[in-house]
Amino acid sequence: NAGVTQTPKFQVLKTGQSMTLQCAQDMNHEYMSWYRQDPGMGLRLIHYSVGAGITDQGEVPNGYNVSRSTTEDFPLRLLSAAPSQTSVYFCASGTAGWLDSPLHFGNGTRLTVT
Amino acid sequence: AQKITQTQPGMFVQEKEAVTLDCTYDTSDPSYGLFWYKQPSSGEMIFLIYQGSYDQQNATEGRYSLNFQKARKSANLVISASQLGDSAMYFCAVNYGGATNKLIFGTGTLLAVQP
Repeated sequence: NAGVTQTPKFQVLKTGQSMTLQCAQDMNHEYMSWYRQDPGMGLRLIHYSVGAGITDQGEVPNGYNVSRSTTEDFPLRLLSAAPSQTSVYFCASGTAGWLDSPLHFGNGTRLTVT
Repeated sequence: AQKITQTQPGMFVQEKEAVTLDCTYDTSDPSYGLFWYKQPSSGEMIFLIYQGSYDQQNATEGRYSLNFQKARKSANLVISASQLGDSAMYFCAVNYGGATNKLIFGTGTLLAVQP
């Protein structure tokens, strides 16, 4: 059972470079989301989607883009990386609209921007 | 903005003792869901327990239970008979409902279980 798969696991970027963090899930979940985790700040929501073609901003969307062309995939794009985007990024999926549905998380991507 | 507060950045507990991790939240919505997740040092996020705002009884899952006090807007996690493997970061999260499954997380509590 793959669940939520994130790639890559680690990435080092130079300031100004762009990259895409990949996220795929095989549970047919309508809801997918991206969080960043920084020390002392918990997990903060970047962007989320409730289905293909539908995305919305979370708490900290600046500097990130997303798209959702299929149910399975929800990539996160950094257009011009900045040191402030050094963080651990988690993708998560779940059943939309159900209060009792927990999120299933990927194993995270550790990104360092120098 | 909705806010989840975990006031204990770090805690110690002796093996086999019980420990309570605090969580308070703010909301005026009558309907919401409360979650606790565990993050061991390996980094993965593990779902532990869920409590619905309309649930009459406190949720329990094995050694985990939720002390849910709706009027005080608190949902404390109780771990009974602590084990060394319980050493981890613990996050409280709230789903405020609507058409999404958007979880808002607290800042976490780092629990260390001592032998």
